Amino acid sequence: EDQVTQSPEALRLQEGESSSLNCSYTVSGLRGLFWYRQDPGKGPEFLFTLYSAGEEKEKERLKATLTKKESFLHITAPKPEDSATYLCAVQAGGGSNYKLTFGKGTLLTVNP
Amino acid sequence: DTEVTQTPKHLVMGMTNKKSLKCEQHMGHRAMYWYKQKAKKPPELMFVYSYEKLSINESVPSRFSPECPNSSLLNLHLHALQPEDSALYLCASSQASGGAPVGGAFFGQGTRLTVV
Repeated sequence: EDQVTQSPEALRLQEGESSSLNCSYTVSGLRGLFWYRQDPGKGPEFLFTLYSAGEEKEKERLKATLTKKESFLHITAPKPEDSATYLCAVQAGGGSNYKLTFGKGTLLTVNP
Repeated sequence: DTEVTQTPKHLVMGMTNKKSLKCEQHMGHRAMYWYKQKAKKPPELMFVYSYEKLSINESVPSRFSPECPNSSLLNLHLHALQPEDSALYLCASSQASGGAPVGGAFFGQGTRLTVV
């Protein structure tokens, strides 16, 4: 069974204090790993797709990296508006597998 | 346009009511999804349509009935729901090729459903 574990569950940072969120996964043949941002009461906002170990993607203050066992979401010099829950999800390979397996998320709070 | 539009945004319904949730996307995606999300939990997959055909039903109770009238629209018909069905219902879409998903799924803003 595919599993995704995110850590920490919650992270509180001061504005400008860089840090990383972790997503560990076990999956039978990775088709893709996805990072989403979710604000309270809203749908997840797509951030990144990573397909293979060694791949990196960047967007503004966010950088996602992927190894064979985990992914990191690095947040550089965060601002209060980066406060949200960050979700990691994996999709197993093989056939017509559309299912995303989500982690429980990391609640990030950035204080001014 | 990278938007998935869901209506209504909020819905309150009684346990004997029949209502429908609607979802629309114009990204040319051929896979569409319904997810259910409870507070402080990750989204849980309910249904997947691939090329307008039901591809996955995650053992969802029959009081939830999905429908995909065309490649841009997805409905979720609700009947005789229970209070524990109250949740945020999310629609998503993704590219598909040869019957397999391609890339990430794009989510709508959800319908906040309250069953009283």
